[in-house]
Amino acid sequence: DQQVKQNSPSLSVQEGRISILNCDYTNSMFDYFLWYKKYPAEGPTFLISISSIKDKNEDGRFTVFLNKSAKHLSLHIVPSQPGDSAVYFCAALIQGAQKLVFGQGTRLTINP
Amino acid sequence: DTGVSQNPRHKITKRGQNVTFRCDPISEHNRLYWYRQTLGQGPEFLTYFQNEAQLEKSRLLSDRFSAERPKGSFSTLEIQRTEQGDSAMYLCASSLGSGGFRQFFGPGTRLTVL
Repeated sequence: DQQVKQNSPSLSVQEGRISILNCDYTNSMFDYFLWYKKYPAEGPTFLISISSIKDKNEDGRFTVFLNKSAKHLSLHIVPSQPGDSAVYFCAALIQGAQKLVFGQGTRLTINP
Repeated sequence: DTGVSQNPRHKITKRGQNVTFRCDPISEHNRLYWYRQTLGQGPEFLTYFQNEAQLEKSRLLSDRFSAERPKGSFSTLEIQRTEQGDSAMYLCASSLGSGGFRQFFGPGTRLTVL
């Protein structure tokens, strides 16, 4: 059972425009969410996170939005830069437990 | 800046052989995790240590898999009698127990079972 889903395997965006990556989850017990970025031949790198008590968290060009009623979160990158080209994973956990549950990933390509 | 390191980075083995991977976490991190990632999927949790104690194991971790973390420092993941289905990227992560939920990942060990 895929508790965290990223339904878009790939996304292509023009440099300077906004990139929006989406993630849905099914387990209402999840109360903390993270986004990781992964380059080839490297491990995932933490990008930004959000607690379920918030609906938005911003860090520079990256903003994560959480809609608990829809069990949906999104990552906005603006403006998009060529170095943002990578695979992005959404992950969730239940506070008190330790395991991250990941989505399948979305490959983002930023075109010049 | 010493992050999480994993060795070897690549391992090719024949079916039925045993393999062992090593993970060195960030030095002050007391929590260590193993994940497995197959092509087109996100990482899947395998097991977790707090200091030297193995506190949780996924049902993905069959009895052919064993993980240890002696003295609460580095960790090893051993796979006995490897099968082709074991071919995957094995990722190690660590975190500071009091430092929130961010896990820091190593570069992974890619296992290919022929």
